[in-house]
Amino acid sequence: NAGVTQTPKFQVLKTGQSMTLQCAQDMNHEYMSWYRQDPGMGLRLIHYSVGAGITDQGEVPNGYNVSRSTTEDFPLRLLSAAPSQTSVYFCASRRQGGLLGKNIQYFGAGTRLSVL
Amino acid sequence: KNQVEQSPQSLIILEGKNCTLQCNYTVSPFSNLRWYKQDTGRGPVSLTIMTFSENTKSNGRYTATLDADTKQSSLHITASQLSDSASYICVVIGYKMRFGAGTRLTVKP
Repeated sequence: NAGVTQTPKFQVLKTGQSMTLQCAQDMNHEYMSWYRQDPGMGLRLIHYSVGAGITDQGEVPNGYNVSRSTTEDFPLRLLSAAPSQTSVYFCASRRQGGLLGKNIQYFGAGTRLSVL
Repeated sequence: KNQVEQSPQSLIILEGKNCTLQCNYTVSPFSNLRWYKQDTGRGPVSLTIMTFSENTKSNGRYTATLDADTKQSSLHITASQLSDSASYICVVIGYKMRFGAGTRLTVKP
């Protein structure tokens, strides 16, 4: 089982560049999400999706776009990278059901992004 | 102010010793509380999930407790091993998932 796969693992960008962080899961989970993790802070939700064709904003969506054309894939796009977007990004997936029921959330290994 | 506060921020213990990590929250309403282990350079991995009606949940040498009245949870690690060195993250679920900043545990030989 591959679980949640993120690529690339590391990336360095210059200010103003754009890029896409890839995320794929093979567990047929309806719910997928993107988080960023910064030192001294808890993970913060960027965007999420409850199924193909459906996306919504989280706590910190500015500067990021997402799309969900298939159940398996949920790419995160940085439109014009800024130094404030230097962070570690995690993609996660889980089954959808209830009020964030007891479904286990599975995380990818992360993408470490530096914006110079 | 974060709705999920963890303490201590970091902890160093000797191999074989026990330790307890704390999590206090203000999230309301409350659905369930989770503890995750995050190894360096990896994503978080679920250890335990507890609803408001569960006071304790074990996963091997990890035991989580929950007091929904005082809004406190703890994660107790018994007979620590070098592989327990990681960050431990408390997550409280109400309408949304709220993540604590984590406790960084280092187990030394």
